[in-house]
Amino acid sequence: AQKVTQAQTEISVVEKEDVTLDCVYETRDTTYYLFWYKQPPSGELVFLIRRNSFDEQNEISGRYSWNFQKSTSSFNFTITASQVVDSAVYFCARMDSSYKLIFGSGTRLLVRP
Amino acid sequence: ETGVTQSPTHLIKTRGQQVTLRCSSQSGHNTVSWYQQALGQGPQFIFQYYREEENGRGNFPPRFSGLQFPNYSSELNVNALELDDSALYLCASSPRTGASTDTQYFGPGTRLTVL
Repeated sequence: AQKVTQAQTEISVVEKEDVTLDCVYETRDTTYYLFWYKQPPSGELVFLIRRNSFDEQNEISGRYSWNFQKSTSSFNFTITASQVVDSAVYFCARMDSSYKLIFGSGTRLLVRP
Repeated sequence: ETGVTQSPTHLIKTRGQQVTLRCSSQSGHNTVSWYQQALGQGPQFIFQYYREEENGRGNFPPRFSGLQFPNYSSELNVNALELDDSALYLCASSPRTGASTDTQYFGPGTRLTVL
């Protein structure tokens, strides 16, 4: 199966630390899309970023940054200077050619004050 | 712009009963996808509707069925409920235009408990 792997089940950091969430994907497609979503305790999945397979440029949005490397099939997510409000479960996902999202198992991030 | 809404928020049913969950897509979106998220796991794709037709289905039995209406809202129906159907059911809408704009935006979910 072409799956998405998030090997880190849970990460705990102290506020203001930097933290990187890992994501490794499998695909036979040449064109594909990768996503990160945040799921706070309320349950709603909040869209963070989308990346197309033909665009390996890294992206920064405020304290968030993403590193996409096709050579290692990875799409990692870094939060700089973490804050308590960043505590949530983060999901990496890949969209296949049939427009469905295939999610990883998620990484629970706990940011302690 | 109104986001994706789902109703009800919570639902408790007993084994063997039937349930209908509802979803209103975001304005301008014509595609609705449904996902099941069991506790501690990532969401699993159930099926997708595009312009009122089913467009892809995940590994779920036929007792999971759906509808999409002309206004692009959608229903998820589950018959003969089983204990394992207890989960958060998430609806997502997207503007399927054929371009690179197929990001799916999720609603707050319906938490279903089957006793």
